[in-house]
Amino acid sequence: DQQVKQNSPSLSVQEGRISILNCDYTNSMFDYFLWYKKYPAEGPTFLISISSIKDKNEDGRFTVFLNKSAKHLSLHIVPSQPGDSAVYFCAASGLAGFGNEKLTFGTGTRLTIIP
Amino acid sequence: DVKVTQSSRYLVKRTGEKVFLECVQDMDHENMFWYRQDPGLGLRLIYFSYDVKMKEKGDIPEGYSVSREKKERFSLILESASTNQTSMYLCASIDRVNTEAFFGQGTRLTVV
Repeated sequence: DQQVKQNSPSLSVQEGRISILNCDYTNSMFDYFLWYKKYPAEGPTFLISISSIKDKNEDGRFTVFLNKSAKHLSLHIVPSQPGDSAVYFCAASGLAGFGNEKLTFGTGTRLTIIP
Repeated sequence: DVKVTQSSRYLVKRTGEKVFLECVQDMDHENMFWYRQDPGLGLRLIYFSYDVKMKEKGDIPEGYSVSREKKERFSLILESASTNQTSMYLCASIDRVNTEAFFGQGTRLTVV
């Protein structure tokens, strides 16, 4: 049962344009969401996060939007740069407490920025 | 700077061998995790630990065990390696809930 879903396995975007990566979740107990970026043969690196009490968080070129009623979040990258080419994972975690600290990841979206 | 270090970048083991994957973090984090990454399946949680000597099964624990004797070290054990355990293994640690996890560089394990 995939609780965090990234329905687009791949996405190609022209350099300088906006990249939009999407993520859906099913568990209403999730209250913290994160995006990670992963290059081949390396561990994932943290990009940006958002708490369920917010609907938007911005950090430089990266913005994450959260729509709790739709159980949907998205990552916007603008402008897109060649170095952004990587696999992006959406992740979610639950409320503090026994057994709820684990991070659940989506299947990932491979973003390719075309020069 | 948080550091999570995995003992090997690449490993090749034979079917039936007992395999140990080691992970050490240097930031006194309570929670540590083992994931495996496979194409099309994302990162799947194998086991996690929220304290020394404490462990919890993740989503795919079958064929694996773990050990956490010291706070900084979390070991993943493949009791009898099989070819379907060929994968990228990633260790992570988290300071507390609702903060980001820090990952090691990964271990690419091939079982032949």
